[in-house]
Amino acid sequence: NAGVTQTPKFQVLKTGQSMTLQCAQDMNHEYMSWYRQDPGMGLRLIHYSVGAGITDQGEVPNGYNVSRSTTEDFPLRLLSAAPSQTSVYFCASRPREANTEAFFGQGTRLTVV
Amino acid sequence: DAKTTQPTSMDCAEGRAANLPCNHSTISGNEYVYWYRQIHSQGPQYIIHGLKNNETNEMASLIITEDRKSSTLILPHATLRDTAVYYCIVRSNAGNMLTFGGGTRLMVKP
Repeated sequence: NAGVTQTPKFQVLKTGQSMTLQCAQDMNHEYMSWYRQDPGMGLRLIHYSVGAGITDQGEVPNGYNVSRSTTEDFPLRLLSAAPSQTSVYFCASRPREANTEAFFGQGTRLTVV
Repeated sequence: DAKTTQPTSMDCAEGRAANLPCNHSTISGNEYVYWYRQIHSQGPQYIIHGLKNNETNEMASLIITEDRKSSTLILPHATLRDTAVYYCIVRSNAGNMLTFGGGTRLMVKP
């Protein structure tokens, strides 16, 4: 099992550009989520999904879109990148069953100039 | 989900036990205590979780007070590779995702 795979690992964007951060998991987990982590801070929830076709907003959703067309994939789209979106992005997944651990990807380091 | 309070940083000597405290005084009856750690900007890694009984696994032990308002994560023999930020998180079974605070930066020193 590869676990949770994020691509790319690093990305530099110009202000106003759009891009999609990819997240895939091969554990058949229902729940998936996206977090961002700014320097010296804890992770903040952007969007999450409890199953294919279902998404919801987290703590800091503005400027990001998500979709969940399959169980395996949960891409995060930046519509028009801004310097404030410079951060490290983590994707996570876990089974639907309660009392279970979450698995995290290794992160995507995004810089918007 | 209940909020947690952790010290910002702690030091521990290599080979000694590291005891990381966490206060969660507003925890409710159906909320679990989870611990994750993050090593040098890698993705967070699950360590352990518990409801009210003490728990132990190959990585650590979790001691939860009887009133459940605080807990302690114990790394029995800390190594340099245990240097990381440790997050204490309280989540109910109905809670969808994890809410991270600032965590405790543990520095294990030779």
